[in-house]
Amino acid sequence: EAGVVQSPRYKIIEKKQPVAFWCNPISGHNTLYWYLQNLGQGPELLIRYENEEAVDDSQLPKDRFSAERLKGVDSTLKIQPAELGDSAVYLCASSPGQGTDTQYFGPGTRLTVL
Amino acid sequence: GENVEQHPSTLSVQEGDSAVIKCTYSDSASNYFPWYKQELGKRPQLIIDIRSNVGEKKDQRIAVTLNKTAKHFSLHITETQPEDSAVYFCAAASGGSYIPTFGRGTSLIVHP
Repeated sequence: EAGVVQSPRYKIIEKKQPVAFWCNPISGHNTLYWYLQNLGQGPELLIRYENEEAVDDSQLPKDRFSAERLKGVDSTLKIQPAELGDSAVYLCASSPGQGTDTQYFGPGTRLTVL
Repeated sequence: GENVEQHPSTLSVQEGDSAVIKCTYSDSASNYFPWYKQELGKRPQLIIDIRSNVGEKKDQRIAVTLNKTAKHFSLHITETQPEDSAVYFCAAASGGSYIPTFGRGTSLIVHP
């Protein structure tokens, strides 16, 4: 079984440029999460989807961040415009459904904003 | 919201020794406590978890204990090996929504 897939693995952009990250969860997993992980810290939730519905996006900086999961499968996280402080690893995770399910993480996208 | 504190931030042991990482949480409604291992440049991987109706859980060399009254839980690794070297994260989640709050991580270094 394939795990959570993310692309790109690395991205370097200049500040004020837009950037997008893509995630394909494990097949059949209804819940999808986007996390931000700064160096030396644990993952911090940005947004959680149940199928195509964003059910928790309180931590998403909506002035510059957006996300979508149109068909309830893969998802895209976008930053526009990027700032220097956005440099981090963006992790996607999925789980089978609601409740205390195990989360399976993707390899992450390491973003560097110059 | 939930607040998870994790200690120590760095732990250095000799191969064969035991390692203990401790976490505290603030939300008494939290009922699920997973532990993740993250090797350098790789994804976090679940190594063990415990739910609030259980006080201890073991899986080979790894064990987790939970004290709900004191709101703390610990990871125990026995007979450590160099391949155990990684960053370990604890997390706490409450209710049915499963949105875990992660600790800041512990960098475990096992010296051969």
